[in-house]
Order: sequence, then structure tokens, then C-alpha cells
Amino acid sequence: AQKITQTQPGMFVQEKEAVTLDCTYDTSDPSYGLFWYKQPSSGEMIFLIYQGSYDQQNATEGRYSLNFQKARKSANLVISASQLGDSAMYFCAMREGPISNFGNEKLTFGTGTRLTIIP
Amino acid sequence: NAGVTQTPKFRILKIGQSMTLQCAQDMNHNYMYWYRQDPGMGLKLIYYSVGAGITDKGEVPNGYNVSRSTTEDFPLRLELAAPSQTSVYFCASSYSKDRGTDTQYFGPGTRLTVL
Repeated sequence: AQKITQTQPGMFVQEKEAVTLDCTYDTSDPSYGLFWYKQPSSGEMIFLIYQGSYDQQNATEGRYSLNFQKARKSANLVISASQLGDSAMYFCAMREGPISNFGNEKLTFGTGTRLTIIP
Repeated sequence: NAGVTQTPKFRILKIGQSMTLQCAQDMNHNYMYWYRQDPGMGLKLIYYSVGAGITDKGEVPNGYNVSRSTTEDFPLRLELAAPSQTSVYFCASSYSKDRGTDTQYFGPGTRLTVL
């Protein structure tokens, strides 16, 4: 089974609208971390937001928020008031196991969602 | 700080040639990683290191070798390049005490083509 599933290969959203990018994950480890990265056409990987499995509140970073539903094993990225510069590939990734254990820092990535913002 | 730097940015190799992809970070991170990204796909881990002198295999290590003699540098060696190794290679590092998380920060990538 896929550890990270992103079911939306591509999305088109009108500028200034909010957008939700889906991510579901599969792990039996009670301690894990979930990450979202943005990859613009220039190719670099830009860290957006992090959610720990024991965090009580959903993570927020500026216009980005993470809708974390632990029972459903979903970690959707929400971008409010989308901008043209948000057009990019977005990857969800997971670290299994607690931070402190050596070797647990490896990330498993989903296949990504290509977001296009329409003016 | 420069963050994570990678050289070269682009390279074309012939089948059977060898090369080393360079990666350096100036954030004093203990952990470093090499990923490859094939067209239209997510990243897959090749090798990683938890500190100088310590390396381990990731998901797709065949055809590659690494070494970690210093905290700052983590070169990736390709021996006997094959067309299947055509990809974009990303180096990353992590263990930022300031953030309290293990967020990985990526270099700009090296686009490698094997013909």
C-alpha cells in the first residue's frame, strides 16, 4: 500500500479563491510527522508546513494551514486567497517514528498535485 | 548562510561514465539526504547520513555510493552511469534545533541526463 497518497494529479483554481490539496497517509506508528513542500517550475523544493502526530492544533503558516484529521489519516493543505505565484507542484511527505530516533528522519513523498492558479 | 548547495546544476553523461554530485550545507545540520525525482513523480530516497562517518541506504541505492567525511559535505557517486539514472537529484539536510522539528531543507537540484 502507498504510504502517501495524493489523489489530485492537477487542479485549476481561480485567483483569490481558497484551495484544498488532499493527502492521505498510511502508518501504524503512533509517532510521525507530516510535511508539505512546494516545487515551482524552477525546480527547487520549498518547505511550507509541518504537523506532528501529537500536535493538538492544526498547523498554520501564513496563508497555509494543514487540516489534520488523525482518525481519517488525512493531512490536507489549505491555501487561502490563492495567488498566481502559488502555481506549482505540491508534495505531501511523511516521517514515520519519533524525531529522536536515529534513522527515522527519512521522508516518504507522494506523487504530487500540480496546482494552476487562473487569473 | 547559503543553506544547501549542489554542483553541478546540469550534467550529461555517456553510458558507463562516472561522476560525483557535490552537496554542502552550512547550517550545522547532522542529517543529510540524497533523493532522486523522476519526471512526474515524487522524490525517492537514495542514501542518507545521520552524521560524519555514518551512512545508510534508502529506497533506491543501487548504482550509487556516498561518503560523509565532514558534517558539511555529502557527495553522491555514480559509477557506470545508466540511462535509468537520468533524473533530477536533490540533496537535503535537517535537524534544526531552532525550529524544534526535523524539517528537511533542500538544495536546488542537479539535472542529470545519461545518454
